[in-house]
This record gives sequence, C-alpha cells and structure tokens, in this order.
Amino acid sequence: GNSVTQMEGPVTLSEEAFLTINCTYTATGYPSLFWYVQYPGEGLQLLLKATKADDKGSNKGFEATYRKETTSFHLEKGSVQVSDSAVYFCALRGYTGNQFYFGTGTSLTVIP
Amino acid sequence: DADVTQTPRNRITKTGKRIMLECSQTKGHDRMYWYRQDPGLGLRLIYYSFDVKDINKGEISDGYSVSRQAQAKFSLSLESAIPNQTALYFCATSVTSGRVTGYEQFFGPGTRLTVL
Repeated sequence: GNSVTQMEGPVTLSEEAFLTINCTYTATGYPSLFWYVQYPGEGLQLLLKATKADDKGSNKGFEATYRKETTSFHLEKGSVQVSDSAVYFCALRGYTGNQFYFGTGTSLTVIP
Repeated sequence: DADVTQTPRNRITKTGKRIMLECSQTKGHDRMYWYRQDPGLGLRLIYYSFDVKDINKGEISDGYSVSRQAQAKFSLSLESAIPNQTALYFCATSVTSGRVTGYEQFFGPGTRLTVL
C-alpha cells in the first residue's frame, strides 16, 4: 500500500540556519509527491511538488528532490526565517490518482 | 480568487448533538474530500467523493456521514457527536488527472470542532 513517513518534530532552529525535514514513502507505481505548509490557524497550502523521479520542486527558497532509489522527498532550505515557522506535511498522490496520503507533520519554530 | 470555504469556522457542541459541517468550492473541481487533523496523527481521510453520485469511505468513516449536494458542495455530518470527535476538520478539492500532471489538493481554512 501507500504511506508516508516523515521526521518527527518539533524542530527549533535559529534564523538563517539550514533546514532539512526528512520524508520517505512507500508506494506502488509512480506517485506524485508534495510538500504542504500549514501556518497557525490556517489550512494547508501547497509548498512544492514533483511528479516523476529526479524532479526537483522548489518554492520560496525551499527545495525537495524526488529520489526513487531511496524513496525519499526530503525538504531543505538554506537559510530559514522566522516567517517559516509552521507545520510541514509530506504527501503523495497514488499512481491511480484516487487518494492522497499524508505524513504526520513536522512542526518548525524559527527563533530570531 | 477561486476558493474553498468552510462553515462554521468554529463550533462547540455537546455530546449526542447532530452537527453538520459545510464545504463549498468555486474551483470547478470534481473531487472533494473531508479530513480530520489531530495532534501527532496528521491528516486522516474521512470520506471522499469523485462526483455527485460517487461517495467513498476513507480510513475513519465510522460516526460520520456525508452528502454531495452539488459538484460545488460537500457536507460532513456527525449524527451523534462524541468527545473524541473533537478535532480540526478540513475540506479539500482536486481534479481528476492522469498521474503525469500530478494535480494537488486545495484545502479550506478548517473547522475547529469541540464536543463537550
């Protein structure tokens, strides 16, 4: 079956630190992969996505590369800001496109 | 801008009461979903619908029911609310697509439900 496992939080970083949030997946076929961000009091927003192996998704300084050989889609940012404080969810859309599968979320707090 | 809206945004109710949460979308998407979010558990799928005549149970449908009144409207009901249904509920939409396009889901702002 399909599933997503992501790094447990919470994560606390100082401003300008490097961020990595690990995400690995199990899937049949060739899923599409996503990172969503949830700011306090809001719904989930798409941060970036990748639809095939070796694709790199990027947005707002965040990047993630679809690695089929390691079944991973790790989120990275070179220099975090206080405004990046949020909960981050890794997700996949299965090969059939019928359902989405979410990780448990990783809470990030960036301190000045 | 096209949007996914949820009403109410907050609701406090008592055990045994019937509650309806509503979701509307102006994106023209055919697929709609209901999730609940609990701390440490992420998002869990309650029900999903691929069109007005197609309703499917998710992983945690017990105690919930849904109605797809129109392509743009998808309601979630708790027939007899219980305290462990206290959670944040999200509606989401997406389009039918081939795997190559990888269309994502779009989420509403959420409804915070408290059952006393």
